[in-house]
Amino acid sequence: EDQVTQSPEALRLQEGESSSLNCSYTVSGLRGLFWYRQDPGKGPEFLFTLYSAGEEKEKERLKATLTKKESFLHITAPKPEDSATYLCAVKIQAGTALIFGKGTTLSVSS
Amino acid sequence: DAGVIQSPRHEVTEMGQEVTLRCKPISGHDYLFWYRQTMMRGLELLIYFNNNVPIDDSGMPEDRFSAKMPNASFSTLKIQPSEPRDSAVYFCASSQSGASETQYFGPGTRLLVL
Repeated sequence: EDQVTQSPEALRLQEGESSSLNCSYTVSGLRGLFWYRQDPGKGPEFLFTLYSAGEEKEKERLKATLTKKESFLHITAPKPEDSATYLCAVKIQAGTALIFGKGTTLSVSS
Repeated sequence: DAGVIQSPRHEVTEMGQEVTLRCKPISGHDYLFWYRQTMMRGLELLIYFNNNVPIDDSGMPEDRFSAKMPNASFSTLKIQPSEPRDSAVYFCASSQSGASETQYFGPGTRLLVL
């Protein structure tokens, strides 16, 4: 069965304290791995898509990396506004829906 | 672009009542997805359409749920009769076929069935 697991479920950081979120996947095939950010009461907001092992993408304080079995979302020197739930999802083949992990809720305090 | 539009944003109803959720996808997108989000199960696919045709409805919980897409700019998700266990946030997302197929989500409808 295709499965996506995110860890930790929750993460508390001090402002400026860098860390990483993990997304491990067991799938029959990988068309793409997606990272989304979700703020309370809002819909998921697209961040990155990764397609092949070794690929990396960056946006401000966030950097996403991909291996054959997992992806990491690295947060460098986080700020309180980075507080949100980060969702990882995989697409098995073209024209199909995403399979989501349950997310990591990040809290950054000043 | 206005993004994916959903209505209503909040719905409170009593058990047994009919509930209709609405979605307008991003113009030009040919895929439309309905997801449900709960604390216990996270985001789960209910059904998705391609060019207005339902492709996979295996996530629809039971016959009480139905979805339609009469045209490229409108879709509905209906629950009849509603039950308390249907309480959740329902999201609509759309994407365009091609290399990335990135799905863009609406703001969601928060449903509470009493």
